[in-house]
Amino acid sequence: AQKVTQAQTEISVVEKEDVTLDCVYETRDTTYYLFWYKQPPSGELVFLIRRNSFDEQNEISGRYSWNFQKSTSSFNFTITASQVVDSAVYFCALSEVEETSGSRLTFGEGTQLTVNP
Amino acid sequence: DVKVTQSSRYLVKRTGEKVFLECVQDMDHENMFWYRQDPGLGLRLIYFSYDVKMKEKGDIPEGYSVSREKKERFSLILESASTNQTSMYLCASSSGLAGGVGNEQYFGPGTRLTVT
Repeated sequence: AQKVTQAQTEISVVEKEDVTLDCVYETRDTTYYLFWYKQPPSGELVFLIRRNSFDEQNEISGRYSWNFQKSTSSFNFTITASQVVDSAVYFCALSEVEETSGSRLTFGEGTQLTVNP
Repeated sequence: DVKVTQSSRYLVKRTGEKVFLECVQDMDHENMFWYRQDPGLGLRLIYFSYDVKMKEKGDIPEGYSVSREKKERFSLILESASTNQTSMYLCASSSGLAGGVGNEQYFGPGTRLTVT
């Protein structure tokens, strides 16, 4: 069965610090997708990134970067020069390709990031 | 912009009541999902639907049912609400056939349900 673990329940940093959110996953499939979502205090989850299992290239988008390593089953998320607006709960999620019903998301427990001024 | 709306942000119901949570999406998405979110547990899938009148159980379907009579609307029903169903409920939708393999899901703002 698929599983996603975000061991860091809460992280607190001071503005401009770099911070890395960890995500470890388990799956028996060779084809799968990994996602990161952000949930600000308003409650609505916002999609950040998707990666498929055949693409281990790291990605950078502004202050955000993602490190995907199949060898360690990890998909970590780094925020560089954090800002107060980055304060949110961040979820990592895994989607396996199922024959009969397509794609379902399994979420990690979430990491509450607080960026203090 | 994709828009997923949920009928209520906050809802208070009594034990034993029948509760309807409504979700509407305006992007003609094939797939719709209901999750509940609890502290320390992340989001857990209750039910999902990849076509009108089709539904599939997720990981925690007990105590819930769903209805999808129209493509844009997906309803979650608590037949007889219990206190352990107090939670945040999130609806999502995604495009693509066969469940939208690999496609991102778009979420509504959530309904915080309290059952007393």
